[in-house]
Amino acid sequence: RKEVEQDPGPFNVPEGATVAFNCTYSNSASQSFFWYRQDCRKEPKLLMSVYSSGNEDGRFTAQLNRASQYISLLIRDSKLSDSATYLCVVNDPGNYQLIWGAGTKLIIKP
Amino acid sequence: GAGVSQSPSNKVTEKGKDVELRCDPISGHTALYWYRQSLGQGLEFLIYFQGNSAPDKSGLPSDRFSAERTGGSVSTLTIQRTQQEDSAVYLCASSFGGSGANEQFFGPGTRLTVL
Repeated sequence: RKEVEQDPGPFNVPEGATVAFNCTYSNSASQSFFWYRQDCRKEPKLLMSVYSSGNEDGRFTAQLNRASQYISLLIRDSKLSDSATYLCVVNDPGNYQLIWGAGTKLIIKP
Repeated sequence: GAGVSQSPSNKVTEKGKDVELRCDPISGHTALYWYRQSLGQGLEFLIYFQGNSAPDKSGLPSDRFSAERTGGSVSTLTIQRTQQEDSAVYLCASSFGGSGANEQFFGPGTRLTVL
């Protein structure tokens, strides 16, 4: 079982729609969670951290479910510019590293 | 402020040659990470530095790969006797503190092509 699992997609979504994707993680001791976005042929960039209470940044909402060990990302009123690969990232407490999911590809269509 | 910088941005080399990739992290960031990403694939962890020490070298694919960091700042990743399968984008990231729980900031990467 992979430590961080994501649906690779692609998710093909019409502009203006709401889209959500989940990510599951295997280490119950993990305490830090992030969503990064990666555009084609670019480096990953931090989208948002995920807090226990959930957090929102404009059209983006992130949630953490510790009991089921998953985090989610919701994008409302999607824009063409939201097309990217979204990476789920979880810390590995034993190894002082971040564990990276393989990413979910999102394509927003006009 | 300045972000993570990497050089060169692109490197084309012939099979069997050695290459050296450079990473300049964000000032004050004590942790530095090297990753590799092949086309269409996820990030592959290579090595992690805390200060000048490398507590985790587990991701280095072979003994042809080595890395060092000096002065708690600049790091170089060296690949000896390059092979075609080494072709990838090599990404460097830095973060504040050594807990491994902080967000990482990436450089733009070095695109390595081995002919």
